[in-house]
Amino acid sequence: KQEVTQIPAALSVPEGENLVLNCSFTDSAIYNLQWFRQDPGKGLTSLLLIQSSQREQTSGRLNASLDKSSGRSTLYIAASQPGDSATYLCAVRNSGNTPLVFGKGTRLSVIA
Amino acid sequence: DAGITQSPRHKVTETGTPVTLRCHQTENHRYMYWYRQDPGHGLRLIHYSYGVKDTDKGEVSDGYSVSRSKTEDFLLTLESATSSQTSVYFCAISESRGQADTQYFGPGTRLTVL
Repeated sequence: KQEVTQIPAALSVPEGENLVLNCSFTDSAIYNLQWFRQDPGKGLTSLLLIQSSQREQTSGRLNASLDKSSGRSTLYIAASQPGDSATYLCAVRNSGNTPLVFGKGTRLSVIA
Repeated sequence: DAGITQSPRHKVTETGTPVTLRCHQTENHRYMYWYRQDPGHGLRLIHYSYGVKDTDKGEVSDGYSVSRSKTEDFLLTLESATSSQTSVYFCAISESRGQADTQYFGPGTRLTVL
């Protein structure tokens, strides 16, 4: 059974700092991995998707990497801003269109 | 938001009453999912559908049933609501673009069972 772990559960950083969020998964035979953002009381917003054949994806100040063999992904946020404060969720899919398996998320606070 | 709406957005009900939540999508996606989100547990899959009248159970399906009679609607029913079903419920669809299957979520329904 696939299990996804995100450490730390919470993180507080000063504005402007570069930071890395970690995600690990137990079964390396994944189809793809998706990072989401969730603001308090809101739904999930898709940030980045990495296919199993890819090593990284970038969108603006966000960069997600994937090391499938070691069962790890990282989300790098450059020059953090208070508006980046949210919970970040990592999820993996084991084959096409199968349901995602989620980690419990990392709650990020960026302090001005 | 991939054209996903959920109704109602908020509901308070009493233990033992039936409750139906609706997920509606406008873009003809084949795959639809129901998750619940609880503190300490994250998002967990309840049921999913891979076509009209085709559904399967997820990790936490006990006490829930689903129906999909039309491509655009996926209904989640709590036959007899219990306090343990107080949660935020999210519907999602899976969109295929080339070789990438990306999941998009609806805004959620906050359900309180008293």
